[in-house]
Amino acid sequence: QQQVKQSPQSLIVQKGGIPIINCAYENTAFDYFPWYQQFPGKGPALLIAIRPDVSEKKEGRFTISFNKSAKQFSLHIMDSQPGDSATYFCAASELGGNYKLTFGKGTLLTVNP
Amino acid sequence: DGGITQSPKYLFRKEGQNVTLSCEQNLNHDAMYWYRQDPGQGLRLIYYSQIVNDFQKGDIAEGYSVSREKKESFPLTVTSAQKNPTAFYLCASSTATGWDFGQGTRLTVV
Repeated sequence: QQQVKQSPQSLIVQKGGIPIINCAYENTAFDYFPWYQQFPGKGPALLIAIRPDVSEKKEGRFTISFNKSAKQFSLHIMDSQPGDSATYFCAASELGGNYKLTFGKGTLLTVNP
Repeated sequence: DGGITQSPKYLFRKEGQNVTLSCEQNLNHDAMYWYRQDPGQGLRLIYYSQIVNDFQKGDIAEGYSVSREKKESFPLTVTSAQKNPTAFYLCASSTATGWDFGQGTRLTVV
C-alpha cells in the first residue's frame, strides 16, 4: 500500500520556469509534510516542511501548498535554476506517533540553462 | 559539528556473505532508521529504533538485521538471505519534529 503518491516521476523545465511537484496521501493521521532534495550519491536534505494548520508556506524560492480536504500537497520552485536539478521527495509523518517518515517515490527535476 | 556518519561510503559484497553497514550520530536523537533506496522506488524503511535495545521491522525487513546497543549507533547487517542487496542505504535519526540523514552507503554485490 503506497501511502504517499508523488507525481510526476520526472520533470524538465527551462531556467526561470516554475516546476510543480504533487503529492497525495491517504492516512489522515499524518500531520507533518516535509520535502527533501537529493543530489546524486548524497543523502536527502530537508528543503521545507508544512503542518496541516496552514495552507501555504514559503521559504526563499520554494513554496508548499497544502489542501487538507483533498489530502494533497505540492512543491513549487520559483525562478528555477540549473543548480536546482536534483531528485525531490515528498514525505509524511504522524508526529505524535512512531516518528516514521513515509516517502513518495521521488521526482527527478532537470532545469535546462 | 553534529551529524550522522555512515561508513563505508562504498561496499562490495560477495554472494553468500554478510556485511555490516555502520551508522553513528552525535545529535542525541532517540530515534534512528535505515532506508533502502532503489531507482524509481523512493526510500523504503528497513528497520527503525525509537530507544536503545528496542527496534521494529519496517516495510522491507526480510534479509536484514539491526542492533541498538548504544543511543549513538544503529548498525545494519545485510545477510545472505537478502537476495537483491545492491542498493543505496541511508541511515537517519530524528527528534519529534525533524529528521537528519547520513550521506549513504552504496552496496554492490560482486
